[in-house]
Amino acid sequence: NAGVTQTPKFQVLKTGQSMTLQCAQDMNHEYMSWYRQDPGMGLRLIHYSVGAGITDQGEVPNGYNVSRSTTEDFPLRLLSAAPSQTSVYFCASSYSYGLAGASSTDTQYFGPGTRLTVL
Amino acid sequence: AQTVTQSQPEMSVQEAETVTLSCTYDTSESNYYLFWYKQPPSRQMILVIRQEAYKQQNATENRFSVNFQKAAKSFSLKISDSQLGDTAMYFCAFTGNDMRFGAGTRLTVKP
Repeated sequence: NAGVTQTPKFQVLKTGQSMTLQCAQDMNHEYMSWYRQDPGMGLRLIHYSVGAGITDQGEVPNGYNVSRSTTEDFPLRLLSAAPSQTSVYFCASSYSYGLAGASSTDTQYFGPGTRLTVL
Repeated sequence: AQTVTQSQPEMSVQEAETVTLSCTYDTSESNYYLFWYKQPPSRQMILVIRQEAYKQQNATENRFSVNFQKAAKSFSLKISDSQLGDTAMYFCAFTGNDMRFGAGTRLTVKP
């Protein structure tokens, strides 16, 4: 098992550029999520998915799009990067999730993170 | 919205001693889960311990244990026999209708 993988590990963008952060898991988890981590703050939920074809917004969704065409993959798209999106991005997955909302109810497995800088 | 507060930005402890990290949360929900995650310098997020709110018994995992006080909305982490490898950021997290993380406590274990 590779667990949760993320690519790239590092990325530098110019303001206005677009890019996709890739996330994949091989544990057959239904629940997947994207977080951003900023200095002095905990992780904040951007978007999440409870299965293929189902996505929803988290706490800080603006400026990001997601899709879930397969159980394994959950890419995060930045359509027009802004300096405020400079952050470390984590993808995570878990086997189960809450019935009412954006929550995982068991262990979340995190990817190694992507450090994104927007100039 | 739920909030999670970690009031200790930094802490240090001598190797082999015990340290307690504090976490409080605010919610109106009755059924939820609480977690402590460890983030070493490698940046990988690692689950340390998990507590289900409906369970009164405090969770333990080897040298790690929690003191879960539901009425006080408190969820502290105790690390016994601290080891150099415990040096990391520790995040408290709440999951109910949504998921919230605290800002973290940076723990340094000194030899």
